[in-house]
Amino acid sequence: QVQLVESGGGVVQPGRSLTLSCAASGFTFSSYSMNWVRQTPGKGLEWVAVISNDGSWTNYADSVKGRCAISRDNSKNTVFLQMNSLSAEDTAVYYCVRNWQTDYWGQGTLVTVSS
Amino acid sequence: DVVMTQSPLSLPVTLGQPASISCRSSQSPVYSDGNTYLNWFQQRPGQSPRRLIYRVSNRDSGVPDRFSGSGSGTDFTLKISRVEAEDVGVYYCMQASHWPRTFGQGTKVEIK
Repeated sequence: QVQLVESGGGVVQPGRSLTLSCAASGFTFSSYSMNWVRQTPGKGLEWVAVISNDGSWTNYADSVKGRCAISRDNSKNTVFLQMNSLSAEDTAVYYCVRNWQTDYWGQGTLVTVSS
Repeated sequence: DVVMTQSPLSLPVTLGQPASISCRSSQSPVYSDGNTYLNWFQQRPGQSPRRLIYRVSNRDSGVPDRFSGSGSGTDFTLKISRVEAEDVGVYYCMQASHWPRTFGQGTKVEIK
């Protein structure tokens, strides 16, 4: 069955960087685009970034453009989200989500930006 | 960005009774291929979102047939024919035709 397991969350100081990882299994990873979506109590669900199946195309929400980079390693069935210049507004649960049509979601990893 | 507006935001329902959630988009989520990529998600307490409905009215595998989606243009609806206790949670609509993907604010379904 499809499994998406996020890791890398934690408490980080404002202005610092963090890289999230998502390990995928149960499907042919290299055939699917992958997204990151975040959730905060105040702003609900917010799509963050997407990467095409071969990594040749990416797209970002305006709120993270220029500060975040999504990448993938198809040999390791893993997608990454590097986040720089973090602020309190980036505090959220980050979900790894499969496909253009967001069909499967991981369990999420919590990122807390606080001094 | 396409704005997705759900109503109501809170929906108390009696077990066994129907429930209906509305989702309105600021522009049509019809993609260039002619399909309407409007999805519905369920998020139970303490869990991650789970897709229930894709392309307006198609149920995902394992989704009970008491859930149905309908709509066209900019107005869409998720219906639960007879609410069960396990249906408690927050329901979101999302358009997947335009970038950035955008979600509704969520509708909290609870048992009266």
